[in-house]
Amino acid sequence: QVQLQESGPGLVKPSETLSLTCTVSGGSISSYYWNWIRQFPGKGLEWIGHVYYSGSTSYNPSLKSRVTISVDTSKNQISLRLSSVTAADTAVYYCARASNWNDLLLEYWGQGTLVTVSS
Amino acid sequence: DIVMTQSPDSLAVSLGERATIDCKSSQSVLYSSNNKNYLAWYQQKPRQPPKLLIYWASTRESGVPDRFSGSGSGTDFTLTISSLQAEDVAVYYCQQYYSTLPTFGPGTKVDIK
Repeated sequence: QVQLQESGPGLVKPSETLSLTCTVSGGSISSYYWNWIRQFPGKGLEWIGHVYYSGSTSYNPSLKSRVTISVDTSKNQISLRLSSVTAADTAVYYCARASNWNDLLLEYWGQGTLVTVSS
Repeated sequence: DIVMTQSPDSLAVSLGERATIDCKSSQSVLYSSNNKNYLAWYQQKPRQPPKLLIYWASTRESGVPDRFSGSGSGTDFTLTISSLQAEDVAVYYCQQYYSTLPTFGPGTKVDIK
């Protein structure tokens, strides 16, 4: 069964760049869409964007100017970069693999990693 | 953006009783060309990621108990737990994947009465 594991700094300073990695095991990155979603402290969920294994991306328009999602098939990893962070970016960040049925239907999720933005 | 709303915010149901959660979308998520509703339900237990339960509004994900069922079409959807079990205590979210910007409902917390 495919497993996803997010990793990265748990604390980021305001105005800096948040960088996270999602490592995929038990399956290949190929032929799937890989999504990043975040969950705010109040529990609301927000889709950040996704990347196809080929490298093509789609982003939430509200974050598009600050987000970069990329894929490294040789390492079976997906990366997220979010620039110019503020306290409003404090959240649990999840990576998720999309279903075979639809690229925005989220079938497998990582455990998530909490990122706090604070000086 | 398609706005998703859910009701109630929370509910408490006795073990073995039925739990019903409603979800509404601000516009239809029924795709006419294939007659599919682009609506999913997720279950999130404490300290765990969301888990996909139902997609296409009524198709259970593999391994999901048949006490979970989804119904509805267009803009109005329902998740039903026919006989609540202790392990069903969780927050349930609906999600539309009709538009290029998927959005989630605010969640409904289900507890045992």
